[in-house]
Amino acid sequence: DAKTTQPPSMDCAEGRAANLPCNHSTISGNEYVYWYRQIHSQGPQYIIHGLKNNETNEMASLIITEDRKSSTLILPHATLRDTAVYYCIVYTGTASKLTFGTGTRLQVTL
Amino acid sequence: DVKVTQSSRYLVKRTGEKVFLECVQDMDHENMFWYRQDPGLGLRLIYFSYDVKMKEKGDIPEGYSVSREKKERFSLILESASTNQTSMYLCASSLRGVKGYEQYFGPGTRLTVT
Repeated sequence: DAKTTQPPSMDCAEGRAANLPCNHSTISGNEYVYWYRQIHSQGPQYIIHGLKNNETNEMASLIITEDRKSSTLILPHATLRDTAVYYCIVYTGTASKLTFGTGTRLQVTL
Repeated sequence: DVKVTQSSRYLVKRTGEKVFLECVQDMDHENMFWYRQDPGLGLRLIYFSYDVKMKEKGDIPEGYSVSREKKERFSLILESASTNQTSMYLCASSLRGVKGYEQYFGPGTRLTVT
């Protein structure tokens, strides 16, 4: 499974859009991009995933570049409850194994 | 909603004790997983199971074993607990196949071995 690179931390003002980048330059054609987040003292929570098209659900939007070497998770109106560690993961899903890196710690402030 | 529950949120055990961590999911998922999480190391997969009585080693299986006698229950066993097994343990489950890539996690068990 491809390796991902994320910034260790980011800040965002409440009400603003939070844009979390992820580089996955070695991604292969059958690998999906997955995003999870982990709020302090809780288990990780699935957010969204995509293959090559942009995706949106009630939690977030996922923008994947045309060459698929990077992606951005967008929280359109960040709230204090969105403060968490966000993990970007790429994998084929065939073995159902996820490899979590150390993620991006997003701090949403007033 | 998918629910994954773990038997304890906090557990304190002594070195050498046998420790059982239990995980139950209520969504009829085929796959179940055990991870441990340590500061600076992220989540690391210990074992996973894709069916009853089936198991596969993850990235750090040493010192652990697992049991899956029923579809909804996946147990992690520390045969002889050691201080380096002090950690947060997370259980997860997922469907198998194209539609089941998302994993659902329990709240975690923080184990301290003294």
